Amino acid sequence: AQSVTQPDIHITVSEGASLELRCNYSYGATPYLFWYVQSPGQGLQLLLKYFSGDTLVQGIKGFEAEFKRSQSSFNLRKPSVHWSDAAEYFCAVGAGNQFYFGTGTSLTVIP
Amino acid sequence: SQTIHQWPATLVQPVGSPLSLECTVEGTSNPNLYWYRQAAGRGLQLLFYSVGIGQISSEVPQNLSASRPQDRQFILSSKKLLLSDSGFYLCVKREGTGELFFGEGSRLTVL
Repeated sequence: AQSVTQPDIHITVSEGASLELRCNYSYGATPYLFWYVQSPGQGLQLLLKYFSGDTLVQGIKGFEAEFKRSQSSFNLRKPSVHWSDAAEYFCAVGAGNQFYFGTGTSLTVIP
Repeated sequence: SQTIHQWPATLVQPVGSPLSLECTVEGTSNPNLYWYRQAAGRGLQLLFYSVGIGQISSEVPQNLSASRPQDRQFILSSKKLLLSDSGFYLCVKREGTGELFFGEGSRLTVL
């Protein structure tokens, strides 16, 4: 069965520090991979996606993610976090017609 | 247009009462449509998906059902609500590129 694991429920970083959010998936083939962000009271916004090709993908708001097939991972990174990045982040996997989401990582940014 | 209309936005229902959440989408014909439930700490749980009129796949056996009577209409129903049905329900559309678009959600409280 397909699954998505985000091992970090909550992360706190200082503004200006680097960020990495982890995501691991379980799927027999190469899936479509996504990162979404949800700010308080808002809907989900797509940050970036991977379908094929270059395994390092760039997204909006300065985020990037790297697909590592050998590790079944798709970690999200940002070199310098801004206070406005505080939100809930969801990793998602598209497998055939189905899409599965991780349980999310809540990011707190401290000044 | 990627507009997704969901209603009602908020609903408070007693245990044992019926439920009908409606979703209509705009844009390309024959989209893949999904119902997710979002609960705190549990991410987005895929409930049902549909690849066409009358075609429903259930991901989780439960008290809910879904129907797709028209190409751009997707309905989530229950004959008798349980307390555990409380949550935030999202109607989602998949475009041919694989990207997902989210409705604004329906918050259901079962008392």
